Amino acid sequence: QKEVEQDPGPLSVPEGAIVSLNCTYSNSAFQYFMWYRQYSRKGPELLMYTYSSGNKEDGRFTAQVDKSSKYISLFIRDSQPSDSATYLCAMTGGNTPLVFGKGTRLSVIA
Amino acid sequence: EAQVTQNPRYLITVTGKKLTVTCSQNMNHEYMSWYRQDPGLGLRQIYYSMNVEVTDKGDVPEGYKVSRKEKRNFPLILESPSPNQTSLYFCASADYLELAKNIQYFGAGTRLSVL
Repeated sequence: QKEVEQDPGPLSVPEGAIVSLNCTYSNSAFQYFMWYRQYSRKGPELLMYTYSSGNKEDGRFTAQVDKSSKYISLFIRDSQPSDSATYLCAMTGGNTPLVFGKGTRLSVIA
Repeated sequence: EAQVTQNPRYLITVTGKKLTVTCSQNMNHEYMSWYRQDPGLGLRQIYYSMNVEVTDKGDVPEGYKVSRKEKRNFPLILESPSPNQTSLYFCASADYLELAKNIQYFGAGTRLSVL
């Protein structure tokens, strides 16, 4: 089983939809969970960062971590065409270096 | 403007011809790292450096070299490139406080094609 699993998509939604992006992981030592957004031909940029379990909200974005299920989510409310990008989850903890998911490609159609 | 700058952005070369991809950051970060990104494989770490003159192998170091003679620069060297090194390469940096949370700042990427 890979350490981090992420559905690569592509995911296509209409403008205004609520988007749910998810990753599962196997390493129970992971404590820091991040979501990066990567536009085409650009480097990843940090979107959200969460420590341990719980929710974190930033504008239209909400990150959730459920350590008991080893499952993390990123919700995007009122999605916009400008949200079209690849979203990568990343996590670390203990002595494990940062591990990235493969990324989910999202298209928001106007 | 705080940034991580990679050059060149695009490079086409032939097998065996040595090349260097430069990376420079202006944030006085101690930590710098190189990743490659391939379809279906995600981001994989090649090498990282915790500080000047300190470098360590990541997950996929074979065929690559790095050096960290100055804090701001972390070049990636391919002594004898092969077609399986065709990929999208990212440099990243962080200070120690952010690194403890594994927050890194990425460059815009270098797309390398080895023919």
